[in-house]
Amino acid sequence: DQQVKQNSPSLSVQEGRISILNCDYTNSMFDYFLWYKKYPAEGPTFLISISSIKDKNEDGRFTVFLNKSAKHLSLHIVPSQPGDSAVYFCAASDRNTGKLIFGQGTTLQVKP
Amino acid sequence: DTGVSQDPRHKITKRGQNVTFRCDPISEHNRLYWYRQTLGQGPEFLTYFQNEAQLEKSRLLSDRFSAERPKGSFSTLEIQRTEQGDSAMYLCASSPAGMGLLEQYFGPGTRLTVT
Repeated sequence: DQQVKQNSPSLSVQEGRISILNCDYTNSMFDYFLWYKKYPAEGPTFLISISSIKDKNEDGRFTVFLNKSAKHLSLHIVPSQPGDSAVYFCAASDRNTGKLIFGQGTTLQVKP
Repeated sequence: DTGVSQDPRHKITKRGQNVTFRCDPISEHNRLYWYRQTLGQGPEFLTYFQNEAQLEKSRLLSDRFSAERPKGSFSTLEIQRTEQGDSAMYLCASSPAGMGLLEQYFGPGTRLTVT
């Protein structure tokens, strides 16, 4: 069963506009969430995280929102830049082991 | 330290052969994780070490797979009698242990192709 789901395989936005990537999870025991970005032929790169005691975390152009009641999180990138074009994965962390459970990924294309 | 490194970056092998991959984590990180990623999917957890102790193995890790971290530094992942279904990207990640330190830092991966 897929405990972390990214239902949109791809997203295309214009440079300078907002990109919104969505993620849903099923296990209410998850209490820490992360977003990673992946370029081809590279490993995932950590972007931003959020603990379940918060509903928002911001780092520069990146903001993650968490809605615990809906078991939903989203990553906002504003303004989007062509260099943001990559595959974005959301992940939930098992607090005891630290292992990550990933979604399937969303491919973001930012057009100049 | 420049980050997590993995060797080799690519490996092509024939079905039935054994392969071994190496991961060197960030030096002060005592947790090390192995994941496998297939096309169109996110990485899937395989196993993890805290220092030299292997603490959890996924059911994805069949008897043909073995991982070690003998001195709590680098780790190796061996696949015996490879099958075509083993073709994937094998990713290694490391993190410091401790409350709140849950971000993992990934290496570039080893892409395995079994022909």
